[in-house]
Amino acid sequence: GAGVSQSPRYKVAKRGQDVALRCDPISGHVSLFWYQQALGQGPEFLTYFQNEAQLDKSGLPSDRFFAERPEGSVSTLKIQRTQQEDSAVYLCASSPQGTRQPQHFGDGTRLSIL
Amino acid sequence: LAKTTQPISMDSYEGQEVNITCSHNNIATNDYITWYQQFPSQGPRFIIQGYKTKVTNEVASLFIPADRKSSTLSLPRVSLSDTAVYYCLVGDTGRRALTFGSGTRLQVQP
Repeated sequence: GAGVSQSPRYKVAKRGQDVALRCDPISGHVSLFWYQQALGQGPEFLTYFQNEAQLDKSGLPSDRFFAERPEGSVSTLKIQRTQQEDSAVYLCASSPQGTRQPQHFGDGTRLSIL
Repeated sequence: LAKTTQPISMDSYEGQEVNITCSHNNIATNDYITWYQQFPSQGPRFIIQGYKTKVTNEVASLFIPADRKSSTLSLPRVSLSDTAVYYCLVGDTGRRALTFGSGTRLQVQP
């Protein structure tokens, strides 16, 4: 079946530009997570949605980062006024409702800020 | 969230069994132990999850002692395609964000 889909796979932007990264979760999955992965490191949590509600955004590094999931399905991670330190792979994961449900990851968007 | 400690890297040869041990001394009563595998340019992929004793699926086994302060992922007869980074995590994967750590880089040689 279809997995988590992220687009674009690669994004290059100039410093100061705004970017938007899209995540299409597995159909019917209630929970959606965004992670940031720096080169050679494990993914780090950014934010979590349950349906359309953003229940945890404690991992967002600054107020330049904003995420939404208006209809409880597709989610967008937006980064305003990008900086070089924002260069990373951004991963999206989704899971069904309930405990102990494994998170299913997309292959990420590699963001490079010049 | 419970912190995990695992070896930074391991080397093996094709056909061998590989065991990767993870320490999680402050695991909570409700925490489960989950292992993910990640290849370059791909997202992490779920391998196996368990709470206690032993769990086995088509790709791996997970051994958890009674005190649950550690766990061992066992990969039988590895192949070159098992070269990847393996992450051990504890918590409730369905309701909480995952804390990955740096993982174990497994290199399988011919």
